[in-house]
Amino acid sequence: KQEVTQIPAALSVPEGENLVLNCSFTDSAIYNLQWFRQDPGKGLTSLLLIQSSQREQTSGRLNASLDKSSGRSTLYIAASQPGDSATYLCAVVVNQAGTALIFGKGTTLSVSS
Amino acid sequence: GAVVSQHPSWVICKSGTSVKIECRSLDFQATTMFWYRQFPKQSLMLMATSNEGSKATYEQGVEKDKFLINHASLTLSTLTVTSAHPEDSSFYICSAHPGAGGYNEQFFGPGTRLTVL
Repeated sequence: KQEVTQIPAALSVPEGENLVLNCSFTDSAIYNLQWFRQDPGKGLTSLLLIQSSQREQTSGRLNASLDKSSGRSTLYIAASQPGDSATYLCAVVVNQAGTALIFGKGTTLSVSS
Repeated sequence: GAVVSQHPSWVICKSGTSVKIECRSLDFQATTMFWYRQFPKQSLMLMATSNEGSKATYEQGVEKDKFLINHASLTLSTLTVTSAHPEDSSFYICSAHPGAGGYNEQFFGPGTRLTVL
């Protein structure tokens, strides 16, 4: 059974720091891996989607890497800002159609000014 | 593009009443829609998958008679929580998938906070 774990559960950093969020999964047979952002009481915003054949994806200050063989992904946030404060969710896509996602519990990030 | 809306954004109801939540794909047709439930500080848990024009498929442990799902069109799915109880209080999030030929990913709605008194 696929399980997704995110460490740490919560993280507090001062503005300007670079940080790394970790995601691990137990079964390497995944199709894609997706990182989402969730603001309190809100839905999910997709940040980055890494296909299984890719090693990383970048969008602005965000960089996500994927190592399928070791069952790990990291989300790197450069020069963090207070507006980055949110919960970051990692999800593995376990079917080709993209219709089956398994989520981690998320990392809640707080960036202080 | 790829916007999904939910209505209402929050609802408070008395125990024993029924509540309907709507999920709409605004700028694309969704072959498949999904309903998730999220408890505080927990993962999103898939409740059911609905395909337009057919019966929904429920995950193990989800009561199909309690959580009625209707996917009558390619842009609308509804979740009705029947005879709601306080333990049904949660954050319900829907997502929509465009199906073959479209983006191969789900697009999520903003969620609905249900509080049952």
